[in-house]
Amino acid sequence: AQKVTQAQTEISVVEKEDVTLDCVYETRDTTYYLFWYKQPPSGELVFLIRRNSFDEQNEISGRYSWNFQKSTSSFNFTITASQVVDSAVYFCALRTFTNAGKSTFGDGTTLTVKP
Amino acid sequence: EAQVTQNPRYLITVTGKKLTVTCSQNMNHEYMSWYRQDPGLGLRQIYYSMNVEVTDKGDVPEGYKVSRKEKRNFPLILESPSPNQTSLYFCASRLSGGGDHEQYFGPGTRLTVT
Repeated sequence: AQKVTQAQTEISVVEKEDVTLDCVYETRDTTYYLFWYKQPPSGELVFLIRRNSFDEQNEISGRYSWNFQKSTSSFNFTITASQVVDSAVYFCALRTFTNAGKSTFGDGTTLTVKP
Repeated sequence: EAQVTQNPRYLITVTGKKLTVTCSQNMNHEYMSWYRQDPGLGLRQIYYSMNVEVTDKGDVPEGYKVSRKEKRNFPLILESPSPNQTSLYFCASRLSGGGDHEQYFGPGTRLTVT
């Protein structure tokens, strides 16, 4: 069985604060893929990043960074100097090599950035 | 423009009246999937299709049917909708069933069953 836990249901910050969204996953597979998606208030789902289980390199893209740690089964997402436009629901998702058809999403974290 | 389209975007219906939500993608993707989104429950997978004529159940398939007769289309059928199927539905596609390809999502269909 595979599972994704986003323990933070809602986070509220003030603009320019840094914020980290947590994602903890469970799988017995040794090959798997992790994703983050963003759902702004307009409702569409937008892909942000993917990570393979064999690539633990962290990634930075502008104000966004991702920390992948296999030892703790975590794939956390940090927004530096948050902006109002970052307000959205963020989903972490897991897919495994052996069960590639299935995607498991976390319940999502609602981030509100106040001006 | 590369996209996944869904129709209708909004639908209010009554219990037991059969309905179909269409999904189409123009990216020649092999893989397509349906999800439902409910408050506090994230996205839950209903059905997926690895390729034409190949479909399989996701985590919450009860009360739904799908078919994949053509590569670009993957309709979701509710033969006898019930109020607990009131939800926001998303169709998604990706390049292939395997690998680490990301999914492209449609705009969503908000369904209300009274």
